[in-house]
Amino acid sequence: DARVTQTPRHKVTEMGQEVTMRCQPILGHNTVFWYRQTMMQGLELLAYFRNRAPLDDSGMPKDRFSAEMPDATLATLKIQPSEPRDSAVYFCASGPVEGRGNTIYFGEGSWLTVV
Amino acid sequence: AQSVSQHNHHVILSEAASLELGCNYSYGGTVNLFWYVQYPGQHLQLLLKYFSGDPLVKGIKGFEAEFIKSKFSFNLRKPSVQWSDTAEYFCAASGGATNKLIFGTGTLLAVQP
Repeated sequence: DARVTQTPRHKVTEMGQEVTMRCQPILGHNTVFWYRQTMMQGLELLAYFRNRAPLDDSGMPKDRFSAEMPDATLATLKIQPSEPRDSAVYFCASGPVEGRGNTIYFGEGSWLTVV
Repeated sequence: AQSVSQHNHHVILSEAASLELGCNYSYGGTVNLFWYVQYPGQHLQLLLKYFSGDPLVKGIKGFEAEFIKSKFSFNLRKPSVQWSDTAEYFCAASGGATNKLIFGTGTLLAVQP
């Protein structure tokens, strides 16, 4: 059963530390998304890749966040330095070649707590 | 600007009651519409989607949604809810051939046994 895999599932870190979240998209999917979910803001799109190229990262704070796809099987979201307001659930999602009606599939999320 | 709005933030129902959750979208051009469900502590799962054809879409677990173009709406319905439907429900939209989703703020549904 193909699925999007995210690590770590849970992370507690101290303010100022670097946090790296990893995502393995479903094999063959060429679009990858990073979403952040908080109680206050709901689901926010942070970054969007197509064929490993970043297409839209306008939702991502550029000073501390960075997103990359070193290869087709790995997407990373890095926060450096982390702050308490970054505490959230970070979801990675992937989808097949774009076209009408194509669905994106979500990973189980990385639950981040910055203290 | 592209946006999705959900009017109900919290809904409390008794088992066997009927459910309707509102969703309106603002999108230029062709639009694809989705409802996702998030059970407590879990990831988002697709309930149903609309991209063309019959505006009444049937999804999993007895859910359905109707696309009404004139009202820019895509409301989710279920005739009789169960306790296990307790979850958060998200309406989402993408435009044209892109699968970049914009989400609504979600509706938290609590079903009382």
